[in-house]
Amino acid sequence: DIQMTQSPSSLSASVGDRVTITCQASQDISNYLNWYQQKPGKAPKLLIYDASNLETGVPSRFSGSGSGTDFTFTISSLQPEDIATYYCQQYDNLPYSFGQGTKLEIK
Amino acid sequence: EVQLVESGGGLVQPGGSLRLSCAASGFTFSSYWMSWVRQAPGKGLEWVANIKQDGSEKYYVDSVKGRFTISRDNAKNSLYLQMNSLRAEDTAVYYCARGEWELSCWGQGTLVTVSS
Repeated sequence: DIQMTQSPSSLSASVGDRVTITCQASQDISNYLNWYQQKPGKAPKLLIYDASNLETGVPSRFSGSGSGTDFTFTISSLQPEDIATYYCQQYDNLPYSFGQGTKLEIK
Repeated sequence: EVQLVESGGGLVQPGGSLRLSCAASGFTFSSYWMSWVRQAPGKGLEWVANIKQDGSEKYYVDSVKGRFTISRDNAKNSLYLQMNSLRAEDTAVYYCARGEWELSCWGQGTLVTVSS
């Protein structure tokens, strides 16, 4: 099975900050990677698919990049409503595994 | 409006069974792969199973193979997860989601608690 490792596990930043989360796959997954946002008590929401494509309706301050084993998720200017846990997910091989999550808090 | 509504969760004893349902509306259900994803209390997301549009292909995470069965009824716009031989480690919120790997729409989840 492919292991997905996110870092950091938690992050505290100020409104307006640029925030970056990384996700590393245990083997080459090309660009078969999604990013999800999960707010407390809510279901996850797809933000980025195919590593770098923004889902319809998602604000442009969210972006993704990378291929192979190393991926990056960026919020260009943190907003209060971005407080959530973010997950990467690979879909190169079954089972479609998720990273352990990055909990983002406002400083 | 695209909507997925799960039901069927609850408290069950170890070794017991439960059947989860997911009612879909607002989109052409028969055109999409569908998936189940679970989240243990305070933990991360775990992909559980998915099923092709016509039900001809089904895939499972190893930890539920032989115990869980995913199915669908396109006439009723419904997705199901039959869970047998339940274990404490199956305790989680179970989400149904639209898609094979790009999970573009999720239900609100239903809590399954396995405990004596």
